[in-house]
Amino acid sequence: EDQVTQSPEALRLQEGESSSLNCSYTVSGLRGLFWYRQDPGKGPEFLFTLYSAGEEKEKERLKATLTKKESFLHITAPKPEDSATYLCAVQAGSYIPTFGRGTSLIVHP
Amino acid sequence: DAGVTQSPTHLIKTRGQHVTLRCSPISGHKSVSWYQQVLGQGPQFIFQYYEKEERGRGNFPDRFSARQFPNYSSELNVNALLLGDSALYLCASSYRTDGHEQYFGPGTRLTVT
Repeated sequence: EDQVTQSPEALRLQEGESSSLNCSYTVSGLRGLFWYRQDPGKGPEFLFTLYSAGEEKEKERLKATLTKKESFLHITAPKPEDSATYLCAVQAGSYIPTFGRGTSLIVHP
Repeated sequence: DAGVTQSPTHLIKTRGQHVTLRCSPISGHKSVSWYQQVLGQGPQFIFQYYEKEERGRGNFPDRFSARQFPNYSSELNVNALLLGDSALYLCASSYRTDGHEQYFGPGTRLTVT
């Protein structure tokens, strides 16, 4: 059974204080690892897809990396508008993605 | 371009009733997936359709069913509602055949009393 564990559950940062969110996964035959951002009461917003260990992708202040067992979402010099829940999901051979419970990020001005 | 749209936005139903939720994908997207999200948890996969064919089914009871229409819009039906069915129901579409890179709608908030 595919498993995804995200840590920490919640993270409070000061504006400009860089940090990383972790997504550990157990899956047989990874086909893709996905990062999403979700604002309260809204649907998740697609950020990145990573396919193989060593791959990195960047978007503005966000950078996602992937190893064989985990992925990191690095947030550089965050701003209050980066506050949201960040979700990680994995997909193996089937078409069924498995999501983690998310990390709730609050960035204080 | 318009994003994924879902209707209704909110819905209140009584235990035992039936509900139909609707989703219109982004233009050009042929894959539609449905998810259930309970407060404080990540989305849980229910169904995926591609070109009107069911591609995947999550671990949900037979009370849950879905279909995709020729215009790629989709319906999620839930029969014999239980209190535990109260959740945010999300629809996502993708242009990819493997369902990667999904774009989510705003969701339908279902409350069962």
